[in-house]
Amino acid sequence: SQKIEQNSEALNIQEGKTATLTCNYTNYSPAYLQWYRQDPGRGPVFLLLIRENEKEKRKERLKVTFDTTLKQSLFHITASQPADSATYLCALDGYYGQNFVFGPGTRLSVLP
Amino acid sequence: DAGVTQSPTHLIKTRGQQVTLRCSPKSGHDTVSWYQQALGQGPQFIFQYYEEEERQRGNFPDRFSGHQFPNYSSELNVNALLLGDSALYLCASSRRGQGKNQPQHFGDGTRLSIL
Repeated sequence: SQKIEQNSEALNIQEGKTATLTCNYTNYSPAYLQWYRQDPGRGPVFLLLIRENEKEKRKERLKVTFDTTLKQSLFHITASQPADSATYLCALDGYYGQNFVFGPGTRLSVLP
Repeated sequence: DAGVTQSPTHLIKTRGQQVTLRCSPKSGHDTVSWYQQALGQGPQFIFQYYEEEERQRGNFPDRFSGHQFPNYSSELNVNALLLGDSALYLCASSRRGQGKNQPQHFGDGTRLSIL
């Protein structure tokens, strides 16, 4: 069955450092991979989308890479701030007929 | 521009009861998906509605059913509630006409507790 793993349940880093979150998947051939942010008691908020034929995507302090050979995506937040503290979810989207699948999430805490 | 709205925000039911949750999509969106999110886990896809029909379904029993109305709003119905149905139920909307790879816009969910 399809499986998505995110590197750890929780990640603590110091303010100003780069946070790197990992998303690994098996038994899925995604056409797209998306990253979302979720704050406690709120719904997920879309951050970035990367296609299977793209290696890297950037948006302000965010960077996503996608390696379909390794079946892995890396999500980087540079110059992290306490306001970046949240749970980050990766999600796979396949071709028509494949369901949208979320990973379990990584809870990021940026310490001042 | 109103985003995705869900009602109610919280709901308490007992085992065996039935529940209906409601969702209004973001303006301009025509596709609605429902997710179940247990505490500490990622959202799990229940089903997706487009043009008033269920288009895709996740691994959920028939106790979970839905409906989409002509104005694109949607309902999620769960029958014969079990303790394990306690979760945050999320609704997400998107515009199917722009292709399958559209970001989903989520509401803040309905917290369902089963006693």
